[in-house]
Amino acid sequence: AIRMTQSPSSFSASTGDRVTITCRASQGISSYLAWYQQKPGKAPKLLIYAASTLQSGVPSRFSGSGSGTDFTLTISCLQSEDFATYYCQQYYSYPGTFGQGTKVEIK
Amino acid sequence: EVQLVESGGGLVQPGGSLRLSCAASGFTFSSYAMSWVRQAPGKGLEWVSAISGSGGSTYYADSVKGRFTISRDNSKNTLYLQMNSLRAEDTAVYYCAKSPEAMVTLPGFFDYWGQGTLVTVSS
Repeated sequence: AIRMTQSPSSFSASTGDRVTITCRASQGISSYLAWYQQKPGKAPKLLIYAASTLQSGVPSRFSGSGSGTDFTLTISCLQSEDFATYYCQQYYSYPGTFGQGTKVEIK
Repeated sequence: EVQLVESGGGLVQPGGSLRLSCAASGFTFSSYAMSWVRQAPGKGLEWVSAISGSGGSTYYADSVKGRFTISRDNSKNTLYLQMNSLRAEDTAVYYCAKSPEAMVTLPGFFDYWGQGTLVTVSS
């Protein structure tokens, strides 16, 4: 199975900060990568697919980049509602594995 | 509006069985692949199983292969997960999730998720 490794696992940030989360695949996955946001007690929400395509309705402050093995999720100006856990997921091959998650906390 | 509503979770003893259901509305159910994804308490997300829009193709995680069966009834707009020989490590919130495509040639990503149903395996 392809292993997805996110970094960091958690960090603290302030409203207005620009934040970047990294996801690395154990083998090349082209652009078959999605990003999700999950808040406590809620289901995950799709933010980005195909590594850089913004899901309809998702604010433009979210962006994704990368291909092959290295990917990033960037939030250009962190808002209060963005404090959550973020997961990457590869869908290049079965099983569709997720990263371990990155928790973004309030500083 | 797309809605996915899971049901059927609960407390079950090790070795027992449970069937989860996911009622779908707001889209043409048979046109889209569906999956089950689970999340153990305090842990990350784990893909469990996928089924094509027609129901003709299915895939399973190694951790549940031979014990879980995914199925769908397109006439009832409902997805199922039959879980047998349950183990403590199957304890999790189980989410049904919709893919934006009908096929399951690739695992796919998930554009809509249900609210989840908790399965607890314990004696």
